[in-house]
Amino acid sequence: QKEVEQNSGPLSVPEGAIASLNCTYSDRGSQSFFWYRQYSGKSPELIMFIYSNGDKEDGRFTAQLNKASQYVSLLIRDSQPSDSATYLCAAPPFSGGYNKLIFGAGTRLAVHP
Amino acid sequence: SAVISQKPSRDICQRGTSLTIQCQVDSQVTMMFWYRQQPGQSLTLIATANQGSEATYESGFVIDKFPISRPNLTFSTLTVSNMSPEDSSIYLCSVRGTSGAINEQFFGPGTRLTVL
Repeated sequence: QKEVEQNSGPLSVPEGAIASLNCTYSDRGSQSFFWYRQYSGKSPELIMFIYSNGDKEDGRFTAQLNKASQYVSLLIRDSQPSDSATYLCAAPPFSGGYNKLIFGAGTRLAVHP
Repeated sequence: SAVISQKPSRDICQRGTSLTIQCQVDSQVTMMFWYRQQPGQSLTLIATANQGSEATYESGFVIDKFPISRPNLTFSTLTVSNMSPEDSSIYLCSVRGTSGAINEQFFGPGTRLTVL
C-alpha cells in the first residue's frame, strides 16, 4: 500500500470555481502534511502545510486535515488558469525518518477559462 | 526560505558515463536531500546527505550508483554513475526549512538528465 495516495487527475474546473484536491495517507503516526505545487518543467513549490485537525486558510487556499480518517485536502477558491499545475501531497513517515517526506503521485489540475 | 541552485540545469549524456550534479545553498543547512523525478512520476527520495557523515540511502538506491558528497553545510553533490537510459530523470536537491517545528523542505530548480 502506498503511504500517500492521490488521484492523478486531471481535475478540470472552470475559472472562478473551487478546486478540491484530496490525499489519503496510511501512516497514522504522521503529524504534518504538506501541499506542493509543481508547474510543468519546474520544481515543487511549498504552498501550505497543516498539522492540526481542522482547516487552515491562506489566501485562496484552505488545507483541511482529518487525522481520524487519515485524509488531507486542499481547496483552491476562485480558481485561476494560473493555478493549473500538479499538486503534490507529502507527509513524513512516523517511523523510518522524521526528516523524510513521502510524496503522493500528484493531482494534475486544469483550470479552464 | 533558502536560495538553492543546481548545476547543471540539464544535460544529455551517453550510457556508461557518469554525471555529477551540484547543489549550492545560500545559507548553512544541516540536512540536504536528493530526489529523483522520473517522467510523469512523483518524487522519490534517493538519499539524505548530512555534513560530516555518510549519506543515508533509501531502499532501492545504493552508494555505488549514486555516490553523494557533503563537504560543508552549504554544498552537496550527487553523482549518477554508469548511466543507462533508465536514469533519465529530473534530479532535485532540497533542504529542510528553519522553522524547527515542522519538517518542510524547499527544492532547488532541478537537473534534467537525458541518457542516450
